[in-house]
Amino acid sequence: DQQVKQNSPSLSVQEGRISILNCDYTNSMFDYFLWYKKYPAEGPTFLISISSIKDKNEDGRFTVFLNKSAKHLSLHIVPSQPGDSAVYFCAPRVNSSGSARQLTFGSGTQLTVLP
Amino acid sequence: EPEVTQTPSHQVTQMGQEVILRCVPISNHLYFYWYRQILGQKVEFLVSFYNNEISEKSEIFDDQFSVERPDGSNFTLKIRSTKLEDSAMYFCASSWDLQETQYFGPGTRLLVL
Repeated sequence: DQQVKQNSPSLSVQEGRISILNCDYTNSMFDYFLWYKKYPAEGPTFLISISSIKDKNEDGRFTVFLNKSAKHLSLHIVPSQPGDSAVYFCAPRVNSSGSARQLTFGSGTQLTVLP
Repeated sequence: EPEVTQTPSHQVTQMGQEVILRCVPISNHLYFYWYRQILGQKVEFLVSFYNNEISEKSEIFDDQFSVERPDGSNFTLKIRSTKLEDSAMYFCASSWDLQETQYFGPGTRLLVL
């Protein structure tokens, strides 16, 4: 299932710099996009989301950008902190009426923020 | 802050045995989900549950799997006859509404020998 692709399995960034994590999707029915982060031995933790009617959503150090025509979204973290080191998952869903909205996860990107 | 809890954290079982994984969703949530992640693979949707019935299920969720909300707080996933390939991390999630964010539990690591 390649509906959601995170092509970079890992990313290393210096503390204080910007981290950019990318996600590409193929299913044009996706219209709500979530980012989760996951620490080892824990479940995914919701981070930020964006609806397809927007192209940007910002929450503190985290900003998500959506380019619908390119079917691409990115998560920017600035400034990056060592505590941000985790696996980040892109998880879009289809907002079809009447059905519980399963998330389709990407393979994740391991972010390491170096002190 | 309310959170989803799961028990046990680890479960080792013999192939062919039944296992029940337990979850306590966030108390005012109405929609419940199970996902799993096989080691080295993506997190995959298994099933969603609302109003005491299954809303959606994936191809993975075959007759060996069942879900139940036996009381007002627990949500369980039963695997009737485990196979080696059922070894995975199983995550429970819940949400208040269809539109709302799904919140995940810490997972149960299932190992089938």
